[in-house]
Amino acid sequence: DTAVSQTPKYLVTQMGNDKSIKCEQNLGHDTMYWYKQDSKKFLKIMFSYNNKELIINETVPNRFSPKSPDKAHLNLHINSLELGDSAVYFCASSLSGGIGFTEAFFGQGTRLTVV
Amino acid sequence: KNQVEQSPQSLIILEGKNCTLQCNYTVSPFSNLRWYKQDTGRGPVSLTIMTFSENTKSNGRYTATLDADTKQSSLHITASQLSDSASYICVVSVSNTGKLIFGQGTTLQVKP
Repeated sequence: DTAVSQTPKYLVTQMGNDKSIKCEQNLGHDTMYWYKQDSKKFLKIMFSYNNKELIINETVPNRFSPKSPDKAHLNLHINSLELGDSAVYFCASSLSGGIGFTEAFFGQGTRLTVV
Repeated sequence: KNQVEQSPQSLIILEGKNCTLQCNYTVSPFSNLRWYKQDTGRGPVSLTIMTFSENTKSNGRYTATLDADTKQSSLHITASQLSDSASYICVVSVSNTGKLIFGQGTTLQVKP
């Protein structure tokens, strides 16, 4: 059983398109995250949701819109895709938003390529 | 500025040898420090988590150390195996924010 699962694993699309990446966790965690890993391998947080409520929103273009229908799901919708959006996007989950001593579990990543 | 720096950027060792990876951080307020292993094409997987009061923690052949005074950590891998080939990422958690600050990772290649 996959703890944090993302779909799709690979996504190739043209500039200007709108696309979504889905994430689901079956760990019973109450906090979920989206991270972006750039070509230099740095992972940077984009968004964090705790119990369906947005708690972290880094400086991310408003073309990126996260949606959390319930605490087990956090989807990422991207409008008007640009070449610079090409990266690997990781979903993660943890208990209680990382406060204290909580473990974060990551999905396998979605490699987005914008052409 | 909250930052995590790792060295070396990449490392090649022979199977069976030991190695040590370094991590320096300037993160405040500090909650805990984690080492993750990321295999190619996979998400990061946690190896160890340490709070400021812990000096060392082991997970099998992986031993992490933490010096909260100098804000340095190391990850020591003993008797390396081919499966240890991966990126090792040092991550510092910012207290009360849920934010994780990632280093750029050290890419380790273990050769037979």
